[in-house]
Order: sequence, then structure tokens, then C-alpha cells
Amino acid sequence: SAVISQKPSRDICQRGTSLTIQCQVDSQVTMMFWYRQQPGQSLTLIATANQGSEATYESGFVIDKFPISRPNLTFSTLTVSNMSPEDSSIYLCSVDSSGATGNNEQFFGPGTRLTVL
Amino acid sequence: LAKTTQPISMDSYEGQEVNITCSHNNIATNDYITWYQQFPSQGPRFIIQGYKTKVTNEVASLFIPADRKSSTLSLPRVSLSDTAVYYCLVGNTNDYKLSFGAGTTVTVRA
Repeated sequence: SAVISQKPSRDICQRGTSLTIQCQVDSQVTMMFWYRQQPGQSLTLIATANQGSEATYESGFVIDKFPISRPNLTFSTLTVSNMSPEDSSIYLCSVDSSGATGNNEQFFGPGTRLTVL
Repeated sequence: LAKTTQPISMDSYEGQEVNITCSHNNIATNDYITWYQQFPSQGPRFIIQGYKTKVTNEVASLFIPADRKSSTLSLPRVSLSDTAVYYCLVGNTNDYKLSFGAGTTVTVRA
């Protein structure tokens, strides 16, 4: 299985500022995904990040608000820009197992808990 | 991705078996059924996956009837540490975009 780490684990930010979240994987992966989990809610996919191409955003999420970088096959960043209190959520990255485990599953990072004041 | 419906919450006691049923009436021929577990302050973790009949691993069993319009995750002899949210997802091997429903909050009491 893939081991995923995220930095920071949590942060408290002022509205109007931006925060960049890092996701590091211990192996090379083609696809990385970014999810948002609002308080008490389920996970919502923000975008898919592939190395060497622009991220693909889901409906309701735009690049200006959530720019993503994918400089190599083990690393990605998600920036939450011009934050407002509504952006307070847990942000998680994940990678696909690509069948390596015999199942079609994804591995998730521990998440970054963001609070915007 | 097929829409899934599962109970919002379930309570149980240590040592009991917990069965969570998920409805997925619009499941497609190529779709698998996958369950994830999420503890507080952690990312979801894969539990089990199946296509039909029964699948068992060291953590749980997954029962899928012939029509595949529902599935039941069975957790044998739960402990306090099994308290978590359990998500049922349906999709095929090309569906890298996971669609999480509301999940079932399972609370295990002593």
C-alpha cells in the first residue's frame, strides 16, 4: 500500500489569505486526487492531478480558487486561495492503487484540517 | 457513478455483529461495490470490495445478492475501535473519481 503524508496537519488562517497544502507519496503514482470534507459531511472530490498536465476540476471547483501543482510522480500541492470561513474543512489527498493490491482502491492521506477565521 | 443509500447511523455493543446494508438500485454491469472506513481525524481506509455473492477478508464480509441492487457489510464481533463512519461506493475499474455518499456512523458501546 502507498503511504501518504500531508503538510500541514492543521492550520488556522485569516480570511483573505492563502494556504498551500502539500501531499507526499512514498511511491510513484500516475493519479493523485484532492478531496474536501466539510465539518460533519462526506468527502467531495475537488480535482484530479496528473503529472505533466493541468489538473481536472470537478463541478463547483475552479483553478483560481484551488490551484494545484503536480511537479513529479510523488508530490502534489493544493492551494486554497483568498480564503473565507466557508473554506474551513479537512482537505485530503489520495492516490489510486492501480490494481497493485488486487483491488480497485485508493489510499488517503491523513488530511489537513483548515480553520478560517 | 451509481447512487447509494445507507442508514445514517447504527449503534451496537462490543462483541456483536454489525450489518450495514447499502442500496444501489442503478448499479451497472461493470460496477464493483467497495466499502471504506473513516475514523475521526483520519482519511478513509479501504475495507473490502466485491462484485457478486460473498467476499471475506480479515476485517469484514461483504454479501451481494444475485440482483446486486444492494449489499451488506458485516463486521463480526465489533470492538470499541470499530466506531467509525462506513461508506459504500459503487463504480467500475475506470472510475478513479470516488463518489462518497453520506456514510453510516457506527457507534460501538461497551
